[in-house]
Amino acid sequence: AQTVTQSQPEMSVQEAETVTLSCTYDTSENNYYLFWYKQPPSRQMILVIRQEAYKQQNATENRFSVNFQKAAKSFSLKISDSQLGDTAMYFCAFSPNAGKSTFGDGTTLTVKP
Amino acid sequence: KAGVTQTPRYLIKTRGQQVTLSCSPISGHRSVSWYQQTPGQGLQFLFEYFSETQRNKGNFPGRFSGRQFSNSRSEMNVSTLELGDSALYLCASSLGWLPNTGELFFGEGSRLTVL
Repeated sequence: AQTVTQSQPEMSVQEAETVTLSCTYDTSENNYYLFWYKQPPSRQMILVIRQEAYKQQNATENRFSVNFQKAAKSFSLKISDSQLGDTAMYFCAFSPNAGKSTFGDGTTLTVKP
Repeated sequence: KAGVTQTPRYLIKTRGQQVTLSCSPISGHRSVSWYQQTPGQGLQFLFEYFSETQRNKGNFPGRFSGRQFSNSRSEMNVSTLELGDSALYLCASSLGWLPNTGELFFGEGSRLTVL
């Protein structure tokens, strides 16, 4: 069974600064996908960024980037130039090529003005 | 393209009652998954349906059931409600077939309160 661990229940960052959210996972699969999802307060969950395990290059989407360490089974999210709209709960998720997605418990990020 | 639609958005029930929640996936998506979100337990996987068949199931009691129709719309049912069933129930859709990136598209959720 796969497990996903987010060790930081809550984090805060000043506007315009950089913050890194941690995620580790455990699996025996070799091919899989990793995701970070964002759930703003009282709004629906949306995809932030996706990483394919077979790709060595770290995924980047504008201010969001990941540090994917396959051997260490680590998948952290870096948010640069934090904005007030980044305030949300962030979930790390694991998905094998077929089958259900497993989510971490989430990290509540607060961006302070 | 319309997103994932869940109904009802909010509902209040009493212990012992049953509830049915509905989810319409994005057009063309054949997989629908259901998750229970609570403050203490995070996102817990309930089940996944693909082409009207339950493909995966989480560790929930038999009071939780679901189904999927030929148009990919899905319903989940909770019978004999308990106080602990109070939660946000999220539906997510995906293409469901290879290449299966696993990316999920979520609805806004149905918030169930059990009194």
